[in-house]
Amino acid sequence: DAGVTQSPTHLIKTRGQQVTLRCSPKSGHDTVSWYQQALGQGPQFIFQYYEEEERQRGNFPDRFSGHQFPNYSSELNVNALLLGDSALYLCASSPDSPLGGYTFGSGTRLTVV
Amino acid sequence: DAKTTQPTSMDCAEGRAANLPCNHSTISGNEYVYWYRQIHSQGPQYIIHGLKNNETNEMASLIITEDRKSSTLILPHATLRDTAVYYCIVRRVDTGRRALTFGSGTRLQVQP
Repeated sequence: DAGVTQSPTHLIKTRGQQVTLRCSPKSGHDTVSWYQQALGQGPQFIFQYYEEEERQRGNFPDRFSGHQFPNYSSELNVNALLLGDSALYLCASSPDSPLGGYTFGSGTRLTVV
Repeated sequence: DAKTTQPTSMDCAEGRAANLPCNHSTISGNEYVYWYRQIHSQGPQYIIHGLKNNETNEMASLIITEDRKSSTLILPHATLRDTAVYYCIVRRVDTGRRALTFGSGTRLQVQP
């Protein structure tokens, strides 16, 4: 049973560019959350998608946007990249239940130069 | 969600029990305690969660004090593969409050 799959694993972009990261959730999970993890820090919540809609959002600017598809997979888009956007971006999936346990992918390492 | 306080780092000898403390003195009645760990270069991995009773699974035990203001994660026989950052998270479990709020965690180094 495949867990959470993220692509690409590594990415280098130039300041001002746009980037799209992809996530396939674990089988049976319908909720997808995205986190940003800067070096040496804990993951920070960006937003969560359920039924193709953004259900909850953390303290991130509008440059960060997302999408969820009917098959529950998801994309994270970041526009106008800044050097400070360099981080590990983690996708987590969960079943839609209050106690739903999260399964995390291994992340996409984004470097902005 | 209530804030948590954890030691920055801890060491443990291989084969011994690792006891990782967490303080959550402002926890409210509808908040659960969750533990995740993150091994280098991987995403966080769920370990265990509890409300007020002690919990045990194949990975660890969770001891929550009677007043729920603190908890301890116990890895009964630590191995080198348990070297990781361990996050204690207090999470309100109801509609609309589903996100996990990570702190800085405790970096556990298991020594051979």
